[in-house]
Amino acid sequence: AQKVTQAQTEISVVEKEDVTLDCVYETRDTTYYLFWYKQPPSGELVFLIRRNSFDEQNEISGRYSWNFQKSTSSFNFTITASQVVDSAVYFCALSEGPGGSYIPTFGRGTSLIVHP
Amino acid sequence: DSGVTQTPKHLITATGQRVTLRCSPRSGDLSVYWYQQSLDQGLQFLIQYYNGEERAKGNILERFSAQQFPDLHSELNLSSLELGDSALYFCASSPRQGMRDEQYFGPGTRLTVT
Repeated sequence: AQKVTQAQTEISVVEKEDVTLDCVYETRDTTYYLFWYKQPPSGELVFLIRRNSFDEQNEISGRYSWNFQKSTSSFNFTITASQVVDSAVYFCALSEGPGGSYIPTFGRGTSLIVHP
Repeated sequence: DSGVTQTPKHLITATGQRVTLRCSPRSGDLSVYWYQQSLDQGLQFLIQYYNGEERAKGNILERFSAQQFPDLHSELNLSSLELGDSALYFCASSPRQGMRDEQYFGPGTRLTVT
């Protein structure tokens, strides 16, 4: 079973629409970290956010927001008023410890296409 | 620009050959990580070095090896290459030893094995 599931392979929206990217994870550890990375067409992965398992507070950064819910093992990412520059592949990742030594496991990614 | 540099950007080689990928971490970062991204396997962690020493190993094949030098740059050596090794290889860096920190990725090296 995948430890990080991003069920949406591809999402297509029109500019200014809100879009939510889903991430469901699986772990038995009580201490773990969750990440979101963005991979634009240029190819380089860009760090967006890190969350530890003890902090369920939602976070907002500009048009980006993240909803972490331990009860459903989800760490969803919402882009408000999407823009063409948001077009990219977005990866969710899980770092488990200490048995997992915090080696990150990445989901398969969600490709977001924002049309003008 | 993350501050992590990787060379070369593209590499085309034949099966059975050996190649070396190079990575320079961000200034001040002591940890270097190598990842492989392929259509089949997705993004997979290969290996981590911290201040010259191997710290963690992931799904790295025995034909692959890496090292981190005193100036903290790192090299990933891939030998006896197979068609299935064609992939994008990323290097990332972070300041500390643990992988709980965010990582800063380089632009990647696209390896094509023909």
